[in-house]
Amino acid sequence: QAQLLQSGAEVKEPGASVKVSCTPSGYTFTTYLLQWVRQAPGQGLEWMGIINPNGGSTNYAPKFQGRFSLTADPPTSTVYMQLSSLRSEDTAVYYCATKGDVEFWGQGTLVTVSS
Amino acid sequence: DIQMTQSPSSLSASVGDRVTITCRASQGIRDKLNWYQERPGKAPKRLIYDASRLQSGVPSRFSGSGSGTEFTLTVSSLQPEDFATYYCLQHSAYPYTFGQGTKLEIK
Repeated sequence: QAQLLQSGAEVKEPGASVKVSCTPSGYTFTTYLLQWVRQAPGQGLEWMGIINPNGGSTNYAPKFQGRFSLTADPPTSTVYMQLSSLRSEDTAVYYCATKGDVEFWGQGTLVTVSS
Repeated sequence: DIQMTQSPSSLSASVGDRVTITCRASQGIRDKLNWYQERPGKAPKRLIYDASRLQSGVPSRFSGSGSGTEFTLTVSSLQPEDFATYYCLQHSAYPYTFGQGTKLEIK
């Protein structure tokens, strides 16, 4: 059964960077685009960006331009989300999800930004 | 960016009721709209994609309609497990954007 497995929870200080991984299994790595969505405590869903694992092309929401990046590593079939210059408002659960007629989601990764 | 205006922001209803949630796009998005159900502590679940296509495994009491700038999600007969928060997402143009959400509560 196809699924997305994300790395574990992170606690970071303000100004630091975080890197979250998303590893698909049960399907060919390059089959689906992978998008990232976050949800801050008590807030709505926020779309962050998307990557094509086949070639690595990306598109980011303007709000995150400059401190957000997505990369794909085909040898390990893993996609990475990196967010830098963290602030308290970045405390959220971060999800990766496929885009297409078939859509499934990772389990989410809680990133807590606190001094 | 395309703005998605979702209404109402909250809704109280009873088991068995029919409810409708609306999303309006700031510009035409054809049928590139999905609906999601979100429950606390769980990943969002896609219910409807491309405005009216029912995701496999989703009960048929959920339906979607619309095209262009106005879309609706209808639940024909609410069940206890349907009390959750619902979001629309436009995927017509980058950046994709979510509506603000509709919290469906038990009356």
